[in-house]
Amino acid sequence: QKEVEQNSGPLSVPEGAIASLNCTYSDRVSQSFFWYRQYSGKSPELIMSIYSNGDKEDGRFTAQLNKASQYVSLLIRDSQPSDSATYLCAVNMRSGYALNFGKGTSLLVTP
Amino acid sequence: DTGVSQDPRHKITKRGQNVTFRCDPISEHNRLYWYRQTLGQGPEFLTYFQNEAQLEKSRLLSDRFSAERPKGSFSTLEIQRTEQGDSAMYLCASSLVKTSNEQFFGPGTRLTVL
Repeated sequence: QKEVEQNSGPLSVPEGAIASLNCTYSDRVSQSFFWYRQYSGKSPELIMSIYSNGDKEDGRFTAQLNKASQYVSLLIRDSQPSDSATYLCAVNMRSGYALNFGKGTSLLVTP
Repeated sequence: DTGVSQDPRHKITKRGQNVTFRCDPISEHNRLYWYRQTLGQGPEFLTYFQNEAQLEKSRLLSDRFSAERPKGSFSTLEIQRTEQGDSAMYLCASSLVKTSNEQFFGPGTRLTVL
């Protein structure tokens, strides 16, 4: 079992809709969770971090964490075509600071 | 604050040659990480430094790979006797101890081994 799992997609949503991206992780001791956005040919860009159970909102983005279920999600409200990218879920490794990444979910927002 | 920078942005080399990449972290960031990313995969951790100390290396990091951060500022990643399987994007990231491990990535160095 891969340590961080994401549905590779593509996930297609119409402009203005809510995009929901999901991620599960295997290591119960993980404490730090991150979402990165990566455009084709570019490097990952940090968009959200979350450390405790519940929701964390930042603009159109909401990260949700459920440590009991080992599940973290990202909601994008009012999706725009410019949100079309690959979204990477990252979880800190057991050793502490390095990150384990999922393969990413490809999001396509159609006008 | 100019962000993380990496040099070169692209490198094409022949199998068996040595290559060296440089990363300059965000000013005052004391942790520096190297990752490798291939097409369709997420970044894979290679190694990280806190100041000048190399604190962790991945099992992925073969003996042909070596990294340094001599003065706790910039870092270099060297690959000796390159193989075609080394072709990838090499990403550097940095973080500040105070900010709970939020890591910021540079633009990457794309390596192609012919």
